[in-house]
Amino acid sequence: QSVLTQPPSVSAAPGQKVTISCSGGSSNIGNFFVSWYQQLPGTAPTLLIYDNNKRPSGIPDRFSGSKSGTSATLVITGLQTGDEADYYCGTWDSSLTAGVFGGGTHLTVL
Amino acid sequence: QLQLQESGPGLVKPSETLSLTCTVSGGSISGSTYYWDWIRQSPGRGLEWIGSIYYSGSTYYNPPLKSRVTISVDLSKNQFSLELRSVTAADTAVYYCARHPTNFGVDVWGQGTTVTVSS
Repeated sequence: QSVLTQPPSVSAAPGQKVTISCSGGSSNIGNFFVSWYQQLPGTAPTLLIYDNNKRPSGIPDRFSGSKSGTSATLVITGLQTGDEADYYCGTWDSSLTAGVFGGGTHLTVL
Repeated sequence: QLQLQESGPGLVKPSETLSLTCTVSGGSISGSTYYWDWIRQSPGRGLEWIGSIYYSGSTYYNPPLKSRVTISVDLSKNQFSLELRSVTAADTAVYYCARHPTNFGVDVWGQGTTVTVSS
């Protein structure tokens, strides 16, 4: 059971928009920055979003993040078949003094 | 460009110790403002943070694993290492070394190494 809660799967058609949620608590999302990761099949995760809503160099602006209270959201617009992957949220937890991740969300681009 | 590379045995027997090393190239662990992580992913499962070390030697461990884990750093070799004791089949996973700045945005990952626990 992950500390952060994500939907197991989401799906949408090419060109559409999808939203992935990440729910936590005051000891994690409520007081720390959230990051998002994309994991393509058979590869290591890569950083998509950091500090709630910032994109590393090279990440297209189709990917955006936000945070409100103890929840965070990843939005992907203009979906492409190459976006089909697993997406994870992550943050620090002060009660555990540990890094924590969500259980992951599998995105299917229909 | 910073690169991380995991190395170590791909097969470990139950009850023994899993030992992995991460070699950092293209940058230095010493004096950096980053934390150096071990993260694992069991087959078909999500990411699990194992622990981190700072160049000074300060460590942080995931509570469920804390009693079995030691992370250490060798600044002279620009490496950091993971020891996981008393392993069981549940420790079978892909193990990643990585780094994160203070805000826990894990921005560099190794390619991962598969470790199987089996007799």
